Amino acid sequence: EVHLAESGGGVVQPGGSLRLSCVASGFTFDEYTMHWVRQAPGKGLEWVSLINWDGGTTDYAGSVEGRFTISRDNSKDSLYLQINSLRTEDTALYFCAKVAGIYLLLSEFDSWGQGTLVTVSS
Amino acid sequence: SYDVTQPPSVSVSPGQTASITCSGPRLGDKFACWYQQKPGQSPVLVIYQDNKRPSGISERFSGSNSGNTATLTISGTQAMDEADYYCQAWDSSTAVFGGGTKLNVL
Repeated sequence: EVHLAESGGGVVQPGGSLRLSCVASGFTFDEYTMHWVRQAPGKGLEWVSLINWDGGTTDYAGSVEGRFTISRDNSKDSLYLQINSLRTEDTALYFCAKVAGIYLLLSEFDSWGQGTLVTVSS
Repeated sequence: SYDVTQPPSVSVSPGQTASITCSGPRLGDKFACWYQQKPGQSPVLVIYQDNKRPSGISERFSGSNSGNTATLTISGTQAMDEADYYCQAWDSSTAVFGGGTKLNVL
């Protein structure tokens, strides 16, 4: 069974930084593109970033480009999101999500973690 | 940037058919998928590639996509189907989500 477990969220002041982690199990991690998707309290889903199976391709939403960095360590079955220069509008539950198709960059998300909450507040 | 639009809410009586739309320019040229999210839970994929159902998803869920509109249809709606539903498509390498539709089963 696929399992994704996020961690690293917390309360941080504007301008601060956090590193989010997502540990995967139940599938061959290095065969799948992974994404981060966030959801502000009471709001809808917003795509944040993707990284392909070997880490060679990344992409970001315009709202986070230059402040967020996605990475992965396939030896640890782990996905990361370094978030810098945090703004109040970055307050959200951050989900990691696995795509359905092996070695596909763009594919529906067939598994989601439970999310880790990032709160940006002074 | 590419946007898709959903109605904020749809109401349906138990046992009836619910239809939730997702509109965007030439959306029918892309694959659309749908996620169900219940309060306090993570999203769950219910339809992918316009009309395919993942394993374990009820046959009551179906989808279509043509022209500018994708539609999620839930037949014989049950109380357990009350949730937020999000459509999603790809614009280049960006995942685009609709704003979500709250399905009320009244």
